[in-house]
Amino acid sequence: LAKTTQPISMDSYEGQEVNITCSHNNIATNDYITWYQQFPSQGPRFIIQGYKTKVTNEVASLFIPADRKSSTLSLPRVSLSDTAVYYCLVGGPLHNTDKLIFGTGTRLQVFP
Amino acid sequence: DGGITQSPKYLFRKEGQNVTLSCEQNLNHDAMYWYRQDPGQGLRLIYYSQIVNDFQKGDIAEGYSVSREKKESFPLTVTSAQKNPTAFYLCASSIGGKKGGELFFGEGSRLTVL
Repeated sequence: LAKTTQPISMDSYEGQEVNITCSHNNIATNDYITWYQQFPSQGPRFIIQGYKTKVTNEVASLFIPADRKSSTLSLPRVSLSDTAVYYCLVGGPLHNTDKLIFGTGTRLQVFP
Repeated sequence: DGGITQSPKYLFRKEGQNVTLSCEQNLNHDAMYWYRQDPGQGLRLIYYSQIVNDFQKGDIAEGYSVSREKKESFPLTVTSAQKNPTAFYLCASSIGGKKGGELFFGEGSRLTVL
């Protein structure tokens, strides 16, 4: 199972773009990469998922290089409400176990 | 509305008592999961189930038990054998198998042992 490594914390200011990178060196061929956001005392919620290249939705972009050994979550123009913990998760049908393991996450603090 | 419901939201227990946390989903998902989260920490997998009447241990299954008698229900029992049960417990579900990692979480149950 692919282990993920993320920075423990990041700081930013409102209006800036934030990029959080996740390393997953032993990602398997069929693995997808998924990012979640968690606020205190709440369950994580899905942000974005991708397999390769670039994926964009209304809240974020996900950049995945050709070797897929890392991925970068990009949050454009963050606001105070983006202060949260962000997790990247790697998994997929190849494992056939659905044993989805979270890393320690990145704590993003946005300042006014 | 479709989603996952966990109950109770807050639970207090005395040492030596077993407690059961409820998790129900109406998303028609095959896979369900229980995670534990300690203050300032990430999520650790306790048990998961890919299909009814089958479940597997996660990384920290000792002191916990589960059942999966119905597709929509995956209750977690915290037994007296769990040495440090005070934590935030999260239940999740996913379609299972087709795309890795798209989990839907409940709002959590916070267990405090007195």
